[in-house]
Amino acid sequence: ILNVEQSPQSLHVQEGDSTNFTCSFPSSNFYALHWYRWETAKSPEALFVMTLNGDEKKKGRISATLNTKEGYSYLYIKGSQPEDSATYLCAFNQGGKLIFGQGTELSVKP
Amino acid sequence: DGGITQSPKYLFRKEGQNVTLSCEQNLNHDAMYWYRQDPGQGLRLIYYSQIVNDFQKGDIAEGYSVSREKKESFPLTVTSAQKNPTAFYLCASREPGSRQPQHFGDGTRLSIL
Repeated sequence: ILNVEQSPQSLHVQEGDSTNFTCSFPSSNFYALHWYRWETAKSPEALFVMTLNGDEKKKGRISATLNTKEGYSYLYIKGSQPEDSATYLCAFNQGGKLIFGQGTELSVKP
Repeated sequence: DGGITQSPKYLFRKEGQNVTLSCEQNLNHDAMYWYRQDPGQGLRLIYYSQIVNDFQKGDIAEGYSVSREKKESFPLTVTSAQKNPTAFYLCASREPGSRQPQHFGDGTRLSIL
């Protein structure tokens, strides 16, 4: 069974802090890696789909990098805001089937 | 607006009963998925369907059944054989192309009375 690990499990930061978290996945047979944001009482929302080693993607203050050779991806949030509070999920794509990590829960205090 | 609708939001089941969770999408997506979330765990795949009249077991299919008679609909039945059904259930669909992101419904929380 493939293992996708996210760290840390939870993170508490102050407004304005920059933060990052990690997703580790199997480095063999890489197909794609997904990042989702899941706010409380809402449905998970796709942030990025990363497909190539060295990929860097950006959406506003959020960016992600990918290293398929060593099997990790980083998600960065610059200048965190309270509205960034959510659980961030990564998922390893096995040809259309997603294997999810357990998520990183981010709380941003004003 | 296009999207995925799951109903009901909360569902209660008595021991020994089967219960069906509804998932409808108007995004014209071929692929649909059912996931289960338990506290402290990632989303786990129960069943998925790549096309109408076809579906495959995911990682935790035991005690569940599905049907895919229409493109728009992918209902999940939690049978009495599922020993620990209390969980949060999410339905998703995917745009054409296996690398595309999935779109999720708002989920159904199932509890045992």
